[in-house]
Amino acid sequence: EPEVTQTPSHQVTQMGQEVILRCVPISNHLYFYWYRQILGQKVEFLVSFYNNEISEKSEIFDDRFSVERPDGSNFTLKIRSTKLEDSAMYFCASSEMTGTKDIQYFGAGTRLSVL
Amino acid sequence: GDSVTQMEGPVTLSEEAFLTINCTYTATGYPSLFWYVQYPGEGLQLLLKATKADDKGSNKGFEATYRKETTSFHLEKGSVQVSDSAVYFCALSKGDDKIIFGKGTRLHILP
Repeated sequence: EPEVTQTPSHQVTQMGQEVILRCVPISNHLYFYWYRQILGQKVEFLVSFYNNEISEKSEIFDDRFSVERPDGSNFTLKIRSTKLEDSAMYFCASSEMTGTKDIQYFGAGTRLSVL
Repeated sequence: GDSVTQMEGPVTLSEEAFLTINCTYTATGYPSLFWYVQYPGEGLQLLLKATKADDKGSNKGFEATYRKETTSFHLEKGSVQVSDSAVYFCALSKGDDKIIFGKGTRLHILP
C-alpha cells in the first residue's frame, strides 16, 4: 500500500540553527500538509500546499517556517532560527483532493528536539 | 474556535473487554468527524469517518455514531484485541484544508 515517508525519524539541533524536515508524499497526490504535536498537546495544523503555493497556514506558521516542493517527489518543511518551543513531532500528510471528501494520509512523523 | 476534546489516557483493558473512548466536539456548521489510529512507529491512519448527523462510521470492529444533539462521536468496540493497542485520535474537518485533532488517547490491551 502506498505510504507517506518522512525522514529523519529524529532530528536534534541547537537553538538558533536551521532544520529541514523531509517528506515523500504518495505519488499521485496533489495536496500536501504539515502538522505538529508538542508532547502532551493536540496535533495542530501548520500549513497546506497545492500547485506550488501555500493554500492555508496557521498562526504557528510564522516567517521562520517555509515549505517547498523542490522536485516531483519531495515536500520539505524548513525552520530557521529554531527555538526551544519548536520541539515537537512533525507530521507530513498528503491527499488526492481537498474538501469534505478528502482523506489525508500521514507519515510516521519526525521528532524534532531543539536543545 | 472549533475544537475536539477526548478522554484522557492511558486506557488499559483486558483482551475481549468492551471499549469506549469518549469524544466531543465544538464547531460551527456541519463538520465531518473522524477517528484516526497510530500504531507504534507508524503514521496516523484513518480508522473511520462520518459526514453527517446520525451517520455511523465503522471499520475493523470499531464503530462511532455522529450525534449532533450531544456533539459527540464516541468510539466503541465490542471485544478488543492486543493488536488494538495504539493511540486513537478524534478529529473534525469543515471542508477546508485542515483537520482539527484531539490530544489522543493511548490504549493498552493486556493479554
